[in-house]
Amino acid sequence: NAGVTQTPKFRILKIGQSMTLQCTQDMNHNYMYWYRQDPGMGLKLIYYSVGAGITDKGEVPNGYNVSRSTTEDFPLRLELAAPSQTSVYFCASSYGSGTGDMFYNEQFFGPGTRLTVL
Amino acid sequence: AQTVTQSQPEMSVQEAETVTLSCTYDTSESDYYLFWYKQPPSRQMILVIRQEAYKQQNATENRFSVNFQKAAKSFSLKISDSQLGDAAMYFCAYRSGWDRKTSYDKVIFGPGTSLSVIP
Repeated sequence: NAGVTQTPKFRILKIGQSMTLQCTQDMNHNYMYWYRQDPGMGLKLIYYSVGAGITDKGEVPNGYNVSRSTTEDFPLRLELAAPSQTSVYFCASSYGSGTGDMFYNEQFFGPGTRLTVL
Repeated sequence: AQTVTQSQPEMSVQEAETVTLSCTYDTSESDYYLFWYKQPPSRQMILVIRQEAYKQQNATENRFSVNFQKAAKSFSLKISDSQLGDAAMYFCAYRSGWDRKTSYDKVIFGPGTSLSVIP
């Protein structure tokens, strides 16, 4: 199992450019998440998905969009990049706790994408 | 709304000594889960230990153990025999029970504690 993979690892954007951060998991998890981590801060939830075709906003969704056409993939789209979006982005996946077993609640994280908007 | 607080932005410990990282949370739920994640300089998020709220017994994983005080809403992490590889950011996380309305169980992270290990 590769677990959760993210591409690219690093990216520099100019203000106003757009890009898509890719995230793929091979663990058949129904839940997927996108977080951002600003320097010296914790993780903030951008968007999440509880299954293919179902997505919803998290704490800081403005400036981002997501889609979930398959169980495996959960891309994050940045439209009109702004300097405030400079951050490290983490994708994560897990089973939902509706499975009834705590063991499945663990979130598995990708290695992160460091994005700089200049 | 649930919140997670880590009151120690930075901590340090001598190699081979013991250190305790604090975490408190606020919730009105009775069914939830708590986690400690480690983030080394590589930025990878690594699960250290987990605790189910309905269990009174404190979780233990090798050198890592927790002191879970449900009434006080406290979930501290104790690292024994600290090693240089333990140096990292440590995040406390709260995961709510499954919400039938939203089909989503919320995960909330604390701001983190940066742990340094002194040789």
